[in-house]
Amino acid sequence: SQQGEEDPQALSIQEGENATMNCSYKTSINNLQWYRQNSGRGLVHLILIRSNEREKHSGRLRVTLDTSKKSSSLLITASRAADTASYFCATVSSGAGSYQLTFGKGTKLSVIP
Amino acid sequence: DTGVSQDPRHKITKRGQNVTFRCDPISEHNRLYWYRQTLGQGPEFLTYFQNEAQLEKSRLLSDRFSAERPKGSFSTLEIQRTEQGDSAMYLCASSLDRGHDGYTFGSGTRLTVV
Repeated sequence: SQQGEEDPQALSIQEGENATMNCSYKTSINNLQWYRQNSGRGLVHLILIRSNEREKHSGRLRVTLDTSKKSSSLLITASRAADTASYFCATVSSGAGSYQLTFGKGTKLSVIP
Repeated sequence: DTGVSQDPRHKITKRGQNVTFRCDPISEHNRLYWYRQTLGQGPEFLTYFQNEAQLEKSRLLSDRFSAERPKGSFSTLEIQRTEQGDSAMYLCASSLDRGHDGYTFGSGTRLTVV
């Protein structure tokens, strides 16, 4: 089963603009992670935010986490054509089965040069 | 170490045939995971190893599926009597301990059952 739901399902922006993707999840988590997947390829880990953190930055990425709303957002600033990919949020549960990542369906981002 | 390696990258097989995929994780990672991803969906958990022990299997892993990780190093995923519904990308990932610093995924094996 899939835990998270990303919103929007697809996003198209111009190069240089910011892209914001949202993720909602259902159960209590230990951490939430964001991954990027280029077409037909494996997933690349972008950033991890723990349940006791509210915001985290990594380069052009900014992630927020609101555990009271069970939601997270990923902001990519100054987007580039190379950012075109699908982005997935994934959670690690705080309960039993905390070894596995549970993914959402992803947001497909298109950055137009 | 070049990351997580999966072989083959693509596999086309006839319905009813058996297929086997291989995954070589990052050498110091003690945990290894198999996921399946169908078009337009996120990856779904199949099974997980800690060292050589298979500790959990998803309901998605029917009796036709078997995974091994001998000696706690590489892993194989075998699908017997393949069905068209098995067509998907099979992804392997590894992590150190509980993966609380992220998982490293391989490029996947794309299976097409015709």
